Amino acid sequence: DVKVTQSSRYLVKRTGEKVFLECVQDMDHENMFWYRQDPGLGLRLIYFSYDVKMKEKGDIPEGYSVSREKKERFSLILESASTNQTSMYLCASSSAQAANYGYTFGSGTRLTVV
Amino acid sequence: QQQVKQSPQSLIVQKGGISIINCAYENTAFDYFPWYQQFPGKGPALLIAIRPDVSEKKEGRFTISFNKSAKQFSLHIMDSQPGDSATYFCAASKGKAAGNKLTFGGGTRVLVKP
Repeated sequence: DVKVTQSSRYLVKRTGEKVFLECVQDMDHENMFWYRQDPGLGLRLIYFSYDVKMKEKGDIPEGYSVSREKKERFSLILESASTNQTSMYLCASSSAQAANYGYTFGSGTRLTVV
Repeated sequence: QQQVKQSPQSLIVQKGGISIINCAYENTAFDYFPWYQQFPGKGPALLIAIRPDVSEKKEGRFTISFNKSAKQFSLHIMDSQPGDSATYFCAASKGKAAGNKLTFGGGTRVLVKP
């Protein structure tokens, strides 16, 4: 069963901490994405990557960075966590070769910054 | 600025009824319009998708209607069942040239009462 795995379901961090969210996919997908989900705002794209070591900013990249050293792994980094980064974070992957653009999502990491 | 606007935010329907969710977009470069279904504690999963060269697509009890001139598309859930209770997201993509990025609507929480 192919899947996207996010390392933590729940995280509680303190303001100012550096936070790492990890995502691994086993589908050999080229594209990987990080979204945050907030009520009423839907899913907003933070960063995406279409190849190893490649990254592009999404709609809300401020306060975040990413790393993609291996094809299967895409990490989201909160350089200095703030309370307004409390949210659900969703990782997704997709194939650049597929005729459709369907994403496979992980189950999400609910991050609380106190 | 939300490029894909979704309504209503929430919806209650009786078992056997029809659930209708609407989305409107502004960017005419969008060429792929999927709908995602999300159950509590899970990531969104692709439900059904349409391209602008067709006006309707049906898969089981789920139908997408697409109006290119009005830049609107909608999801109809026929014979709604309690198991359909979930949050639904519409989305739009500009295609492979844009890295397959999806822009999501704000989501609709659907509750089907038995």
